Amino acid sequence: QVQLQESGPGVVKPSGTLSLTCVVSGGSISSDDWWNWVRQAPGKGLEWIGEINHSGRANYNPSLKSRVTISVDKSKNQFSLKLNSVTAADTAVYLCAKYGFRSGRNEYYYYMDVWGKGTTVIVSS
Amino acid sequence: QTVVTQEPSLTVSPGGTVTLTCASSTGSVTSRNYPNWFQQKPGQAPRALIYSTNNKHSWTPARFSGSLLGGRAALTLSGVQPEDEAEYYCLLYYSGGQLVFGGGTKVTVL
Repeated sequence: QVQLQESGPGVVKPSGTLSLTCVVSGGSISSDDWWNWVRQAPGKGLEWIGEINHSGRANYNPSLKSRVTISVDKSKNQFSLKLNSVTAADTAVYLCAKYGFRSGRNEYYYYMDVWGKGTTVIVSS
Repeated sequence: QTVVTQEPSLTVSPGGTVTLTCASSTGSVTSRNYPNWFQQKPGQAPRALIYSTNNKHSWTPARFSGSLLGGRAALTLSGVQPEDEAEYYCLLYYSGGQLVFGGGTKVTVL
């Protein structure tokens, strides 16, 4: 059973870079799944940040694309998020999640089935 | 920027039925958007309920079901239990590898 665990600094200074890591256990990051970052600002809804696969191909939310980089480290079975030029608006719980797929008879199934517990990041001086 | 819209809040009586919907600013939601539904309770990570429109995970209670309804994705809760009070989010896939969450629906069981 795949499990995900986020880690990183809980406080980041304004204009700085937010850096988080998600460790994958119980499975391989080299599977066909996509590895996602999602955030949730206080009292707000879920916001998709982006995703990466094991070969390093990444997709990003257009609204964050200019500031985000997601990378994968297969040797450590983990993937990472960097968000630069942060402001107070980037204060949120950051969660990692697995987006998998399987094929059936003439159709595909896509599912975001495994989530980390989330880590709180506060942007403050 | 694609926007996915859900009802902000719905109230349902215990034992009743409620349907939540998920609309896309780009047009009708189809099976090719692979709608996923999640339940989130305060202080917890989201929990997956439904994937690819109407497929349940092994842990999804039978009272939850997914469908396409009038150009929207829908999540129906039948025989609602008090523990179903939570925030519910849909997630849609768009070509090019974009994922968009809906704004969430707060379901109150009263």
